[in-house]
Amino acid sequence: QVQLQESGPGLVKPSETLSLTCAVSGYSISSGPYWGWIRQSPGKGLEWIGSVSPSGTADYNPSLKSRVTMSVDTSKNHFSLTLNSVTAADTAVYYCARRTSGSYSDYWGQGILVTVSS
Amino acid sequence: QSALTQPASVSGSPGQSITISCTGTSSDIGAYNSVSWYQQHPGKAPKLMIYDVANRPSGVSNRFSGSKSGNTASLTISGLQAEDEADYFCSSYTNMNTAIFGGGTRLTVL
Repeated sequence: QVQLQESGPGLVKPSETLSLTCAVSGYSISSGPYWGWIRQSPGKGLEWIGSVSPSGTADYNPSLKSRVTMSVDTSKNHFSLTLNSVTAADTAVYYCARRTSGSYSDYWGQGILVTVSS
Repeated sequence: QSALTQPASVSGSPGQSITISCTGTSSDIGAYNSVSWYQQHPGKAPKLMIYDVANRPSGVSNRFSGSKSGNTASLTISGLQAEDEADYFCSSYTNMNTAIFGGGTRLTVL
């Protein structure tokens, strides 16, 4: 059974960097095919942030591309998200998920609420 | 890239069928058979219900079905049950090798 679990700070100050990690269990992250992040602002819809392959090749949402970096650590079986220069608009529940080659996400973490506030 | 367009809400009575539409463009839904649908109950993570337009993952009821015509995809739920009340999101692959979601539809079972 593939399981994903997000971790990271729940509060980030404006202009600082948001960093989250997703630990994968029950499955080798090296098997991919892709590992992704999706966020959901309070009371709003889902927004695809991007995804990364086990080799480190990443695709990002064009609207966030300049601020986002994703990486994979196969030795720890986890992958990470970094979002720079955050504002209140980045306040959201952040989900990690496995993305298939068909571009759907079949396994999701439970989500982590990140609030951007001073 | 703009979000896919879904109705904000739909409703139906137990036992009835409802259909949720999801409209995109020739750069996403119209270009690929990579439409997926997710169900989300309050406070929970989304759950995959349909993938590749019309396929159901193991364990998903056959009351859920998907289809696509041109730039519009649809999710149909037949034999509505109280437990189907949730938010539903569509998603599609795009020609920029990214994914895009719809704004979501709240299903109310009357």
